[in-house]
Amino acid sequence: NAGVMQNPRHLVRRRGQEARLRCSPMKGHSHVYWYRQLPEEGLKFMVYLQKENIIDESGMPKERFSAEFPKEGPSILRIQQVVRGDSAAYFCASSWGTGGAEETQYFGPGTRLLVL
Amino acid sequence: AQSVTQPDIHITVSEGASLELRCNYSYGATPYLFWYVQSPGQGLQLLLKYFSGDTLVQGIKGFEAEFKRSQSSFNLRKPSVHWSDAAEYFCAVGAQAGTALIFGKGTTLSVSS
Repeated sequence: NAGVMQNPRHLVRRRGQEARLRCSPMKGHSHVYWYRQLPEEGLKFMVYLQKENIIDESGMPKERFSAEFPKEGPSILRIQQVVRGDSAAYFCASSWGTGGAEETQYFGPGTRLLVL
Repeated sequence: AQSVTQPDIHITVSEGASLELRCNYSYGATPYLFWYVQSPGQGLQLLLKYFSGDTLVQGIKGFEAEFKRSQSSFNLRKPSVHWSDAAEYFCAVGAQAGTALIFGKGTTLSVSS
């Protein structure tokens, strides 16, 4: 059973370009979470999505950042007009979405974004 | 406000020695608690979790953690550390199953021979 998959693993962008990060949840999981990890920091929650629905985006910067989880295909985290401060590791996690005791978030390997 | 504190930024332990990593949380209700491990350049792997019931929980790789409500702590322990345990360890708390997790800043574990 494949785990959470993220691509690309490494992404280099110049200031002002767009970064698009993809996340495929574990098989059977319908909930996706995005977190950002700055150097020497813990992970910070950004957004929580179900298929075709954003549940909680309280951690998402108001500008330049957007996320989606379409009915078909991976979840996408999009960063427009990147700046150097966006350089970080971006992690995706997925869960079943049942709300029961098995509701554990499983993390992908992350995408390391470097903005030049 | 909800928060997680990992007081130790970096710990060095001799191989074969015991280990305890500290985690304190601030949370209004009964928390869901997790420990994750991250090897360099890798994602996070779940070590163990506490939702309810027995306050001593067993995890993978020989790790265990004890939930102490009176101390708002969820410390991670291992009786005998192996060199392969060198990594960064994160404690996290959630409001309930399936919501955003709040992470501590992590503790880096080094293992000396």
